[in-house]
Amino acid sequence: GAVVSQHPSWVICKSGTSVKIECRSLDFQATTMFWYRQFPKQSLMLMATSNEGSKATYEQGVEKDKFLINHASLTLSTLTVTSAHPEDSSFYICSARVRWPYEQYFGPGTRLTVT
Amino acid sequence: AQTVTQSQPEMSVQEAETVTLSCTYDTSESDYYLFWYKQPPSRQMILVIRQEAYKQQNATENRFSVNFQKAAKSFSLKISDSQLGDAAMYFCAYRIPSLYNQGGKLIFGQGTELSVKP
Repeated sequence: GAVVSQHPSWVICKSGTSVKIECRSLDFQATTMFWYRQFPKQSLMLMATSNEGSKATYEQGVEKDKFLINHASLTLSTLTVTSAHPEDSSFYICSARVRWPYEQYFGPGTRLTVT
Repeated sequence: AQTVTQSQPEMSVQEAETVTLSCTYDTSESDYYLFWYKQPPSRQMILVIRQEAYKQQNATENRFSVNFQKAAKSFSLKISDSQLGDAAMYFCAYRIPSLYNQGGKLIFGQGTELSVKP
């Protein structure tokens, strides 16, 4: 149980285009989902917290207009990187949290390459 | 603000030997959770072990155990009988208590890359 999927696993896009990453909890309902960014050999950096049916809460320094997060249902959250640039190239990981005991389950991540 | 520090960027262990990864954290709370996560080359985050702060007993999961020193705010991970499959990046994490606005949020340490020599 407690499986989280991400799609796509790897995406290449051209500079200036937008790309959407999906995060799904497959066998449980997630009231809260988290989006992280990770550079090679570095730790996970929390970008935002999304709660089902409400606006996402962004961490300081994260551009909310660039990284659009939608959490339309209890099993799906999406991250859209708008007008992507090469510096947005990174590994993006989502996690889904159950209501109790608040455990987080991680997706396998999405590698974004912007050319 | 809560912080988590892993002072060992890299560690190495011989297969079948024991290795200890260090982690310290800072918090003013008395009840919280601490975690060790493993991130192998596939980059899938895998929960290794969890410790609840109010429990004095150190958590154990098969070959993995922790040394939780609450007063010292130290939370080290011991891997016994190391296997080649243990090679990965290991992250220590602190979870902000759920009653707060940012409740449930994980704060990660910088990570320790563990290599296992055959």
